[in-house]
Amino acid sequence: QVHLVESGGGVVQPGRFLRLSCAASGFTFTDCAMHWVRQAPGKGLEWVAIISFDGSATYYADSVKGRFTISRDDSKNTLYLLLDSLRADDTAVYYCAKDSHPIFGALDYWGRGTLVTVSS
Amino acid sequence: SYELTQPPSMSVSPGQTASIPCSGDKLGDKNVCWYQQKPGQSPVLVIYEDSQRPSGIPERFSGSNSGNTATLTIFGTQAVDEADYYCQAWDSATSGVFGGGTKLTVL
Repeated sequence: QVHLVESGGGVVQPGRFLRLSCAASGFTFTDCAMHWVRQAPGKGLEWVAIISFDGSATYYADSVKGRFTISRDDSKNTLYLLLDSLRADDTAVYYCAKDSHPIFGALDYWGRGTLVTVSS
Repeated sequence: SYELTQPPSMSVSPGQTASIPCSGDKLGDKNVCWYQQKPGQSPVLVIYEDSQRPSGIPERFSGSNSGNTATLTIFGTQAVDEADYYCQAWDSATSGVFGGGTKLTVL
């Protein structure tokens, strides 16, 4: 059974950084790309970033490019997102999602999310 | 950047058919996925590769994609289908794109 558990959210001041983690289990982690998707309060889904199955390729939404970094540790079956230079409009629930393919497939399993609040 | 457009809301009577459109430039050339999200819950994949249903998704969920429009169709809509629905595709610049979402009300 696929299980994705995000952690690391919280309240952070503008301009600071935060690192989110996503612990994965129940599938072969190294077979799948992984994603971060966020949802601001009362708003829709926004795709944030993807990392390929082997970590060789990463892509980002324009809104976070140059500020966020996605990475993975296959030895720990864990996905990460480093959020830097945070802004108020980065406030959202951040979801980790598994890709059905090595890259650019469907997001077939999602975690429960972790809330990031950027506020002074 | 690529955009996907959905109506913000739709309503359907129980037992009727709901058709939720998603439009984008040459969307028919891309693979489209659909996600269902109920209040306070994480999204769930209900359609992938335009028309494929993951295991566990009821047969009343169907998808199509042609030209500039993809459509999620729910046949015999039930009260439990009341949710937000999002379409999603990959644009040529290798970025993921979600539609703005459609709030489906069953009444």
